[in-house]
Amino acid sequence: KQEVTQIPAALSVPEGENLVLNCSFTDSAIYNLQWFRQDPGKGLTSLLLIQSSQREQTSGRLNASLDKSSGRSTLYIAASQPGDSATYLCAVRPYTGNQFYFGTGTSLTVIP
Amino acid sequence: DAGVIQSPRHEVTEMGQEVTLRCKPISGHNSLFWYRQTMMRGLELLIYFNNNVPIDDSGMPEDRFSAKMPNASFSTLKIQPSEPRDSAVYFCASSLALMMWGVETQYFGPGTRLLVL
Repeated sequence: KQEVTQIPAALSVPEGENLVLNCSFTDSAIYNLQWFRQDPGKGLTSLLLIQSSQREQTSGRLNASLDKSSGRSTLYIAASQPGDSATYLCAVRPYTGNQFYFGTGTSLTVIP
Repeated sequence: DAGVIQSPRHEVTEMGQEVTLRCKPISGHNSLFWYRQTMMRGLELLIYFNNNVPIDDSGMPEDRFSAKMPNASFSTLKIQPSEPRDSAVYFCASSLALMMWGVETQYFGPGTRLLVL
């Protein structure tokens, strides 16, 4: 079974700093990988989806990379803002089936 | 579009009672997922449907849990009887799978916070 790990579990940075969140998965046979944001008491919001054939995706200040062979993905956030404070989860979808396997998330706090 | 709608948003019940959670997916989506989120176990997939048919229910913890999708616009997750360890946030999500391995994003509802006393 696919296992997804996110390190660190929590991260606190000063405003304006660039940061990287990490996601690793055990089975490289994935169809795509998705990064989500979850605000306290809310549902998940999709940030970026990377197909297995892609190396990275960018949206505004966010850049997600994928290295399937090593089972890793990173989410880069440039010039962090207090509004970026949330929990970030990555999820991978295998080639078979329609389900996603989620990591446990990284709780990010950006200090003004 | 109103997004994925879940009800109730909060539910407090006593052990042994039946609990029914409801979900309305985004119109036109053909896949629906039920997840459970706890601090200890994170986000776990319970069951998912494709075109109203249950595809994988291996994540359903026990026979006390059941899910139905009678039509494309409605799904229920039922717990009977409920136990304190069922306390969690239950999320419903939907997506449009264009083919078996289509490109899709899952859209999540706001969740139902369940507390079983």
